[in-house]
Amino acid sequence: AQKVTQAQTEISVVEKEDVTLDCVYETRDTTYYLFWYKQPPSGELVFLIRRNSFDEQNEISGRYSWNFQKSTSSFNFTITASQVVDSAVYFCALSPTINQAGTALIFGKGTTLSVSS
Amino acid sequence: KAGVTQTPRYLIKTRGQQVTLSCSPISGHRSVSWYQQTPGQGLQFLFEYFSETQRNKGNFPGRFSGRQFSNSRSEMNVSTLELGDSALYLCASKIAGGPGTDTQYFGPGTRLTVL
Repeated sequence: AQKVTQAQTEISVVEKEDVTLDCVYETRDTTYYLFWYKQPPSGELVFLIRRNSFDEQNEISGRYSWNFQKSTSSFNFTITASQVVDSAVYFCALSPTINQAGTALIFGKGTTLSVSS
Repeated sequence: KAGVTQTPRYLIKTRGQQVTLSCSPISGHRSVSWYQQTPGQGLQFLFEYFSETQRNKGNFPGRFSGRQFSNSRSEMNVSTLELGDSALYLCASKIAGGPGTDTQYFGPGTRLTVL
């Protein structure tokens, strides 16, 4: 079965704190893609990053970094020095490549991040 | 480059009615997917269209249907609305129809309320 689990439902931090959002996935595919999206209150899902299953190199983009570990089926997302504008719901998603679902994204339930000043 | 656009942004309907939502993909994108987002079920895949053909369908009843036009614009229709159809309906586009090989970009969604 294909599944994405985001165990943290809500996280509250104070500005400038670092925060890590966890994502654990399940798939039997050998090739797959993982994504993170951000959903601010406006509702639109904003793409943050895509990773394929063969690329375990960690990625850093400004205050954002991602840690992909195939051995533990995890794709965690860290925000360094959080800001109020980071407040949003963050979704981790899996795109299998060889299954009935085809191109469908399988989303986790999301983690609501609240950053206070 | 303009993003994915969806119209209308908000809709209020009553049970039993039908509704049509529209999505215009990013220019050059040929694949359009639809997702339903509810507090209880989260984000769920409805269907995907590529080159005017439905390539993939999620686990939703036949009341949910869609189509894609030659300019890649897509519409989804929900007939005989039920209270449980109240949701945010998100459209996403990507360049090609292949599985997982490129990124889906989402529109702002249409918030449907069924009374």
